[in-house]
Amino acid sequence: GAGVSQSPRYKVAKRGQDVALRCDPISGHVSLFWYQQALGQGPEFLTYFQNEAQLDKSGLPSDRFFAERPEGSVSTLKIQRTQQEDSAVYLCASSLVADPSSYEQYFGPGTRLTVT
Amino acid sequence: AQSVTQLDSQVPVFEEAPVELRCNYSSSVSVYLFWYVQYPNQGLQLLLKYLSGSTLVKGINGFEAEFNKSQTSFHLRKPSVHISDTAEYFCAFSGNTPLVFGKGTRLSVIA
Repeated sequence: GAGVSQSPRYKVAKRGQDVALRCDPISGHVSLFWYQQALGQGPEFLTYFQNEAQLDKSGLPSDRFFAERPEGSVSTLKIQRTQQEDSAVYLCASSLVADPSSYEQYFGPGTRLTVT
Repeated sequence: AQSVTQLDSQVPVFEEAPVELRCNYSSSVSVYLFWYVQYPNQGLQLLLKYLSGSTLVKGINGFEAEFNKSQTSFHLRKPSVHISDTAEYFCAFSGNTPLVFGKGTRLSVIA
């Protein structure tokens, strides 16, 4: 009965480096979400998958951000050429059902990214 | 624009005292409402949710919230807090979009 797991928990990157953040959702969960949480702020939506299909990527802040979920399970959020403003906690959440609006999302512990 | 406003960024309260954390939302469509709690270095955990039906919703750890459509509010309450309730609390809603979160309220329970 594992929950949502994320790795690494902490990542320090030099400005300009590429990073990849991994999310393992709860087994069988259809929907997967990525959020960005800046210091002192609430989480902000980045992107949403239903199985392997990326249905909404309206929250991705730039084309340096890319997410995938090729087999409808594990997801990776990739940030290219990291900038200092990318420093934040990246949260992954999964949900059992396909409707992104009405059902409970289960959150992972997050990956804290620090860009120096 | 759809948004959530948590009016208090920090709320200090003495142990065993009651607490209310305020939340107002703005949306042009019907919404579902949620309260999440975040303990240090942990992910968000759902406290309670309002989808439909009774406007008074009871959640885990003795928390409850009341949906008030006319005031577009969803305030969180607990009649007697414990030290272990010290955490960050986030109000959120979803309408025709994924979750929109407020900026959070830090509840500090003082012994």
